[in-house]
Amino acid sequence: NAGVTQTPKFRILKIGQSMTLQCAQDMNHNYMYWYRQDPGMGLKLIYYSVGAGITDKGEVPNGYNVSRSTTEDFPLRLELAAPSQTSVYFCASSYVAGVAKNIQYFGAGTRLSVL
Amino acid sequence: DQQVKQNSPSLSVQEGRISILNCDYTNSMFDYFLWYKKYPAEGPTFLISISSIKDKNEDGRFTVFLNKSAKHLSLHIVPSQPGDSAVYFCAARDTGTASKLTFGTGTRLQVTL
Repeated sequence: NAGVTQTPKFRILKIGQSMTLQCAQDMNHNYMYWYRQDPGMGLKLIYYSVGAGITDKGEVPNGYNVSRSTTEDFPLRLELAAPSQTSVYFCASSYVAGVAKNIQYFGAGTRLSVL
Repeated sequence: DQQVKQNSPSLSVQEGRISILNCDYTNSMFDYFLWYKKYPAEGPTFLISISSIKDKNEDGRFTVFLNKSAKHLSLHIVPSQPGDSAVYFCAARDTGTASKLTFGTGTRLQVTL
């Protein structure tokens, strides 16, 4: 079972470069999320999506963009990378329906350094 | 403003003993709480959860307790095993917020032989 797949696992960017972090899930989950985790900190929500074509900002969206054209994929775009975006990025998905508990399932993460 | 707090960055416990990880929260609108476990270079994996209408949930060696009046929850691991050594994150869901989770900063548990 693949679950949530993130690519790449590691990346080094120069200041001002752009890149897209890929995220795909094969569980037919309707909700998807992007988080970043800085050293010694919890996960901070960047963007989330409640379904194809619908996205919204989380707690720390500045410097990022997302799109969700299919149920399976939720790429995160970094434009004009800055050192402050050095972090580990996690993608997650969950199935949300009514009041049922909706556990988020995470990918293995992308470790990004901006130098 | 940190709504979910894990005040102990680390905890060391002997194998076979009980591990108790604590979490405090401030938002009264949180209705669902989860614990995630994270190994190095891996993503967090779901461990156990509890709804705000309950005060205890058990799953094998893992039990989560919720004290709503104190806005406090704890994860008990009995008996602790070396494979339990990981970072544990407490997370809380605010009802009506698209199932967004707020995470604590994590507690690193080391289970020693």
